[in-house]
Amino acid sequence: QQKVQQSPESLIVPEGGMASLNCTSSDRNVDYFWWYRQHSGKSPKMLMSIFSNGEKEEGRFTVHLNKASLHTSLHIRDSQPSDSALYLCAASPNYAQGLTFGLGTRVSVFP
Amino acid sequence: NAGVIQTPRHKVTGKGQEATLWCEPISGHSAVFWYRQTIVQGLEFLTYFRNQAPIDDSGMPKERFSAQMPNQSHSTLKIQSTQPQDSAVYLCASSLGTGVNQDTQYFGPGTRLLVL
Repeated sequence: QQKVQQSPESLIVPEGGMASLNCTSSDRNVDYFWWYRQHSGKSPKMLMSIFSNGEKEEGRFTVHLNKASLHTSLHIRDSQPSDSALYLCAASPNYAQGLTFGLGTRVSVFP
Repeated sequence: NAGVIQTPRHKVTGKGQEATLWCEPISGHSAVFWYRQTIVQGLEFLTYFRNQAPIDDSGMPKERFSAQMPNQSHSTLKIQSTQPQDSAVYLCASSLGTGVNQDTQYFGPGTRLLVL
């Protein structure tokens, strides 16, 4: 079983709509969470990181973290076709350490 | 900044042959990571170096796989006696390794390995 579970597996969003992605770790040692975005045929690129309880916003992207439940969520507002990609959640007990990734959520934004 | 460089970008080997994959981290980055990505297993951590020293190889298959970092400008991942199940995209990433900027890992373009 994956130690980092992501849901849903896939998501279809209309252009301008909101996409909400979820991620939960089953490893109680985890303390750091990242969200990476991977466009088709490309390598993953870090989108946002969150290490403290609460919310963090950068442009159209917002992440939430609940450390007690080891749950993080990523919300994309005003979705654009360029947001169509595989979104990977990663977790780690410490910085500068190998990351454990979930299988990802594939987001498709249609015009 | 050229980013993380990986060579070759594609490699085809026959079953039982050896494959060596190369990674050049971003200049100034002291941490280097190797991952493997497949459709079924997703993105899996293999091994990690900091300041050229091996720190964690918990994700490496114990047989046939080895990694080295002989100097600060390159790391190699060697797979001996390749098997069809080794077919994957092998990704190298580097980070500052100091905790600054949450130590973001920057990924290279990957090497797509196909074992026939």
